[in-house]
Amino acid sequence: NAGVTQTPKFRILKIGQSMTLQCTQDMNHNYMYWYRQDPGMGLKLIYYSVGAGITDKGEVPNGYNVSRSTTEDFPLRLELAAPSQTSVYFCASSSTTTWWPQHFGDGTRLSIL
Amino acid sequence: AQTVTQSQPEMSVQEAETVTLSCTYDTSESDYYLFWYKQPPSRQMILVIRQEAYKQQNATENRFSVNFQKAAKSFSLKISDSQLGDAAMYFCAPREDLTTSGTYKYIFGTGTRLKVLA
Repeated sequence: NAGVTQTPKFRILKIGQSMTLQCTQDMNHNYMYWYRQDPGMGLKLIYYSVGAGITDKGEVPNGYNVSRSTTEDFPLRLELAAPSQTSVYFCASSSTTTWWPQHFGDGTRLSIL
Repeated sequence: AQTVTQSQPEMSVQEAETVTLSCTYDTSESDYYLFWYKQPPSRQMILVIRQEAYKQQNATENRFSVNFQKAAKSFSLKISDSQLGDAAMYFCAPREDLTTSGTYKYIFGTGTRLKVLA
């Protein structure tokens, strides 16, 4: 089925470890986004991309990096995991049509211990 | 930047009855979009309904409708004939343009947890 696929679904990291959250979409969407959702809160934008090779910071980019080498993939990297990064991470994509909503992945639950 | 307030952390409704979830927001823009998203326990974010601010007519999608009061900056969601499958977190999400790039982001509130009682 077409959509946004995130891997892994769950992960536990130790403080200081690094990891990459994977996100891929097969809808040929130019726009892709990473959000985080802290317990009891809405989503906050970490990074976004308007096309291959173009990325920009959102509201809460510190501690994260992204790359966009292809239209389909938009990985999010945590270099030095900290307990404050314990959250659920959502990847989303959207087309260039003005009002189209963002299509969200199922999320990755990440715990930093 | 826009802000959004959902003042009801939790609501309950009897199956088949009607419930209204409230949302107020603040924006300096004159033309914008407003969305309601549903997040069931599966965590998937699902679009429920959208409203363009320039339209006076309230949006309707089957059992879901909105009461959009632009002057009051209010955007409430009404769910009619509530079903057990409606149980979820509901987020009001004004859309904010990321003006230098031509794309946008959502401004999410803290959400309202809706419980549907059989």
